[in-house]
Amino acid sequence: GAGVSQSPSNKVTEKGKDVELRCDPISGHTALYWYRQSLGQGLEFLIYFQGNSAPDKSGLPSDRFSAERTGGSVSTLTIQRTQQEDSAVYLCASSLGLADPGKQYFGPGTRLTVT
Amino acid sequence: ELKVEQNPLFLSMQEGKNYTIYCNYSTTSDRLYWYRQDPGKSLESLFVLLSNGAVKQEGRLMASLDTKARLSTLHITAAVHDLSATYFCAVDPSGSGNTGKLIFGQGTTLQVKP
Repeated sequence: GAGVSQSPSNKVTEKGKDVELRCDPISGHTALYWYRQSLGQGLEFLIYFQGNSAPDKSGLPSDRFSAERTGGSVSTLTIQRTQQEDSAVYLCASSLGLADPGKQYFGPGTRLTVT
Repeated sequence: ELKVEQNPLFLSMQEGKNYTIYCNYSTTSDRLYWYRQDPGKSLESLFVLLSNGAVKQEGRLMASLDTKARLSTLHITAAVHDLSATYFCAVDPSGSGNTGKLIFGQGTTLQVKP
């Protein structure tokens, strides 16, 4: 079956521009997670959704970062006024949620480069 | 704040040898996960350990969890080149709750030489 998909796979943007990253979870997965992977910081949790609600936004690095999820499916992570330190691979994962604690299926990631 | 530490961070070993990767975490949790990442690829779930004393095995890899010691181990038996990858452990800081939010270790890069 189809796995988690993310788009774009690569994004190069100029400092100060806004970017939107998209995640399509596995069908039927109620939980969706965003992580960021960079050389200096490793893998960091950003935000997770249960359905369309985001109970934990504690990992968002600043108010330039926001995320939404609609219809219990697709999620968009938006970064406003990008900075060079935002350069990283942004990974999305989904899981069955409470029915299957913790086993998360990861997408291929979006590599963001801010110049 | 939960901290998850792995060691070693880099491991070069010969085919056929055994070795263990360690994952220590700083606060109570009984949910620990191991993932594999190949270069340029995303993360693949290896093991989900949900209770003290849990042991899971898949092929040449075996993972265990000691929640009292806040320690998980990933043991590699008779390594083969295909096992070369970066291995991450991750802990759910909500303990026996379930947020699914994972805090990852730094990763252990394993290189298996013929």
